[in-house]
Amino acid sequence: NAGVTQTPKFQVLKTGQSMTLQCAQDMNHNSMYWYRQDPGMGLRLIYYSASEGTTDKGEVPNGYNVSRLNKREFSLRLESAAPSQTSVYFCASSRDSQANQPQHFGDGTRLSIL
Amino acid sequence: DQQVKQNSPSLSVQEGRISILNCDYTNSMFDYFLWYKKYPAEGPTFLISISSIKDKNEDGRFTVFLNKSAKHLSLHIVPSQPGDSAVYFCAASEKTGANNLFFGTGTRLTVIP
Repeated sequence: NAGVTQTPKFQVLKTGQSMTLQCAQDMNHNSMYWYRQDPGMGLRLIYYSASEGTTDKGEVPNGYNVSRLNKREFSLRLESAAPSQTSVYFCASSRDSQANQPQHFGDGTRLSIL
Repeated sequence: DQQVKQNSPSLSVQEGRISILNCDYTNSMFDYFLWYKKYPAEGPTFLISISSIKDKNEDGRFTVFLNKSAKHLSLHIVPSQPGDSAVYFCAASEKTGANNLFFGTGTRLTVIP
């Protein structure tokens, strides 16, 4: 019973490199989300996908792109990594985009950019 | 600008006693509130939620109280157990229906055996 799976768990990049963070859920959820968590701050929404085929910006979208590959998978891409993007990235999913649907989170990807 | 605030970074409580975690918010459009629990190196896990039409919701040892006029909510854990030691995040979403969560900065709860 995997829930939400994120790969990789850890990654170190150099400034300017590109990278794609992968996320897959096996709960047949319609909505998926990407957050970042920085020290001393709460999680902040980067992008979300309310349903397959749609994506929208969240609170901090600059420097990121996303792809909802199918119902199960939602990837986050850094085209040209910057040190300010050093963070822990969490993917989440929910049954749908209604506010009363709890989001289920993966265990995160720790990304360091030198 | 932080719309959801948890002003206590940490809290220590004796096992068996009550733990009270507090959360304040500034956005009057928030109408659904959730608490998440997070262990190190894991993702947040949903704990309990409350709609703005209620002032209390209870689930076993966990109770959430909402005071809309004060824009304040709290999570009560009774009795506290060592396994409750974790970081607790308060989160809120607006009425717009996009289920975009705004998180507080978290409170680290330590339950002392």
